[in-house]
Amino acid sequence: EAGVVQSPRYKIIEKKQPVAFWCNPISGHNTLYWYRQNLGQGPELLIRYENEEAVDDSQLPKDRFSAERLKGVDSTLKIQPAELGDSAVYLCASSGTASSYEQYFGPGTRLTVT
Amino acid sequence: AQSVTQPDIHITVSEGASLELRCNYSYGATPYLFWYVQSPGQGLQLLLKYFSGDTLVQGIKGFEAEFKRSQSSFNLRKPSVHWSDAAEYFCAVGPTGFQKLVFGTGTRLLVSP
Repeated sequence: EAGVVQSPRYKIIEKKQPVAFWCNPISGHNTLYWYRQNLGQGPELLIRYENEEAVDDSQLPKDRFSAERLKGVDSTLKIQPAELGDSAVYLCASSGTASSYEQYFGPGTRLTVT
Repeated sequence: AQSVTQPDIHITVSEGASLELRCNYSYGATPYLFWYVQSPGQGLQLLLKYFSGDTLVQGIKGFEAEFKRSQSSFNLRKPSVHWSDAAEYFCAVGPTGFQKLVFGTGTRLLVSP
């Protein structure tokens, strides 16, 4: 079974530029998460989707961040415009039925804003 | 305030020695508890989890963890560390389940020859 796929793996942009990250969850997983992991910190949840619906976006900075999950499968996280403080690793995770009680993480996208 | 604390930023252990990584949480009820490992350039991999029942849980790669309600702790242990165990370890708590996790700041494990 393929794991969570993310692209790109690395991205370097100048501040004020837009950037987008893509995630393909494990097949059949209805729940998708986006996390941000700052250097030396643990991941922090940005947004959680149940199918196409964003059920928890309380930690998403909505002035510059947006996300979508069309058709309840792939998801895109966008930042526009990027700021220096957005430099971090952006992790995508997915989970399936409640009985698994587990989130499966992708390798992440390391964003550097210069 | 609700929090997850991993008091050790770095730990160095000799190969073959035992390991214990500490995790404390401050939540009212018994939350869902997890340990994840992150190798350089990799995503997080679940080592083990606790929801209820036996307070000593076994995980992958020879790891185990013990939930102690009285100490609000969920420490990770391994009897004999291998060089391949060098990585960052994160304790995570799900106050209301497994779908909303709060992570600690992590402990970086270094393994010396």
